[in-house]
Amino acid sequence: DTEVTQTPKHLVMGMTNKKSLKCEQHMGHRAMYWYKQKAKKPPELMFVYSYEKLSINESVPSRFSPECPNSSLLNLHLHALQPEDSALYLCASSQEDPYNEQFFGPGTRLTVL
Amino acid sequence: GENVEQHPSTLSVQEGDSAVIKCTYSDSASNYFPWYKQELGKRPQLIIDIRSNVGEKKDQRIAVTLNKTAKHFSLHITETQPEDSAVYFCAPDTGGFKTIFGAGTRLFVKA
Repeated sequence: DTEVTQTPKHLVMGMTNKKSLKCEQHMGHRAMYWYKQKAKKPPELMFVYSYEKLSINESVPSRFSPECPNSSLLNLHLHALQPEDSALYLCASSQEDPYNEQFFGPGTRLTVL
Repeated sequence: GENVEQHPSTLSVQEGDSAVIKCTYSDSASNYFPWYKQELGKRPQLIIDIRSNVGEKKDQRIAVTLNKTAKHFSLHITETQPEDSAVYFCAPDTGGFKTIFGAGTRLFVKA
């Protein structure tokens, strides 16, 4: 399996809701990433996990909470989001040694009302 | 930190013409130079990459050239086709997982 999958595809939530985004890969990759992409902008790195440990947090607000339960799964827990958090959230994975291609999931289109 | 600039931001070509997109980076520790293609509503996908010990790499109609001294690398697409229409991102990599994408180049190929 050479794909990264993400659920749900679309999510609409209110500012008081709690929801989670899920990402899964079965390529044996030990590095996993969360990106945020606004319309007509590049993906913007949020978090990186390496060997299930949080390796990079790009000063993301605490209303976004990542979790890596095992080497194949990555979650992003959302709470008390703002309308400006509406975006496409992309998950990616890569081999853990440096200088490798990232494989992206199809993304979750999030709308915060 | 790494500063990445990509030019042009928009490129419109006639089918069959060539297209060139340039990416300039600031961190001399960068050693991996990928180009990703993102079609409308789709995920970014790698189309070609190059490592620092190589100056040029070609894959059919697509090539990447690297000038480490000048800190830039370029994507070359020959014999463009309508299906090449997409946004292209460079993402020079220093090896620390901290990926910074260029702003993107929107390529339009007119049939």
